[in-house]
Amino acid sequence: EPEVTQTPSHQVTQMGQEVILRCVPISNHLYFYWYRQILGQKVEFLVSFYNNEISEKSEIFDDQFSVERPDGSNFTLKIRSTKLEDSAMYFCASNTNEKLFFGSGTQLSVL
Amino acid sequence: KQEVTQIPAALSVPEGENLVLNCSFTDSAIYNLQWFRQDPGKGLTSLLLIQSSQREQTSGRLNASLDKSSGRSTLYIAASQPGDSATYLCAVNRNSGGSNYKLTFGKGTLLTVNP
Repeated sequence: EPEVTQTPSHQVTQMGQEVILRCVPISNHLYFYWYRQILGQKVEFLVSFYNNEISEKSEIFDDQFSVERPDGSNFTLKIRSTKLEDSAMYFCASNTNEKLFFGSGTQLSVL
Repeated sequence: KQEVTQIPAALSVPEGENLVLNCSFTDSAIYNLQWFRQDPGKGLTSLLLIQSSQREQTSGRLNASLDKSSGRSTLYIAASQPGDSATYLCAVNRNSGGSNYKLTFGKGTLLTVNP
């Protein structure tokens, strides 16, 4: 079965540093997403992306966050100046119809 | 604001038992509902998707039902196996139409099936 690939699986950074989380969605998919899960909390929607622009974003997705599809295969989430509370598992997802495929996540630890 | 609640938070059963996981949501204006499985260190795997017009979906030993008007869904697992041990998440998609998802998740039920 096709997979959504995320790299790295773990990222440790210092508070205030920029991080870029990378995802390779399934090749024929059209919709791309980032979700996150803080330890012990629910999975939360961050942003959806379609046709090279943001479709929708949550209140969490403030000016510190940005997404990009720099080429035909990658989809990235950038956090400009990380905060302690950004520590979470970040999941990328993609779909072209109802079934949503999630990657295995990047565990971000902000120290 | 949509809220999704899952009961119980954790469940431990002996192998072979049939079990039911519960999910409730506060806003019935949903496009569809999905049940996911989450294994430690891995992503979320979609198990069943129920459209708002449907009452239930089945896949193998899994059966999910949806009562949209009362804001409830159940996931029934028949003849449970140790390999079913995982966290099961319920998620609703708001009434957006199309294939653009904005899922609201419950906190999940941690299922342990003992051999």
